[in-house]
Amino acid sequence: SAVISQKPSRDICQRGTSLTIQCQVDSQVTMMFWYRQQPGQSLTLIATANQGSEATYESGFVIDKFPISRPNLTFSTLTVSNMSPEDSSIYLCSVAARETQYFGPGTRLLVL
Amino acid sequence: GQQLNQSPQSMFIQEGEDVSMNCTSSSIFNTWLWYKQDPGEGPVLLIALYKAGELTSNGRLTAQFGITRKDSFLNISASIPSDVGIYFCAGRASGGGADGLTFGKGTHLIIQP
Repeated sequence: SAVISQKPSRDICQRGTSLTIQCQVDSQVTMMFWYRQQPGQSLTLIATANQGSEATYESGFVIDKFPISRPNLTFSTLTVSNMSPEDSSIYLCSVAARETQYFGPGTRLLVL
Repeated sequence: GQQLNQSPQSMFIQEGEDVSMNCTSSSIFNTWLWYKQDPGEGPVLLIALYKAGELTSNGRLTAQFGITRKDSFLNISASIPSDVGIYFCAGRASGGGADGLTFGKGTHLIIQP
């Protein structure tokens, strides 16, 4: 299985600011994804992070709000821009490997 | 888009009891995955299923990929306190991991001593 780390593990931010979350994988992977898990809810796919090209966003998520970088096959960042309290969630990085999918420990974000 | 219905939403059981939960889909999936999420952690993969009818075990856990490819179940035998957590089913309509997963809403498992 792939070992995934995320930074920061948690943060408390003021509304209107932005936070960049980093995801590092211990091996090269083709597919990387970003998910959001709102309090008490299931996981929702935000976007697929594509290496060398723009991320592919799911319905309801836009690049201006959630810009994503994927500079290589082991690293990706997700930025939550112009935050509001409704952005308080767990943000999870995920990678596809051998037809299954693994998750990082998540970044717990609280926006005041 | 695809939707997954996971049930039950929560379960209150006694230690030692068996547990069963299932997911149904509005469309055909090629992959079914079952995850467990503990508080403050990311989901951890329990079992992966890739073929219709496939029955796979992982210790006290058993999961099956439904023949119609629209459903899957997870059984836990002889539950123990560390089984407490949220269990999610997830499915993928395409092969090769090209798309992200669709998740069920989760089953909260609570074990009473």
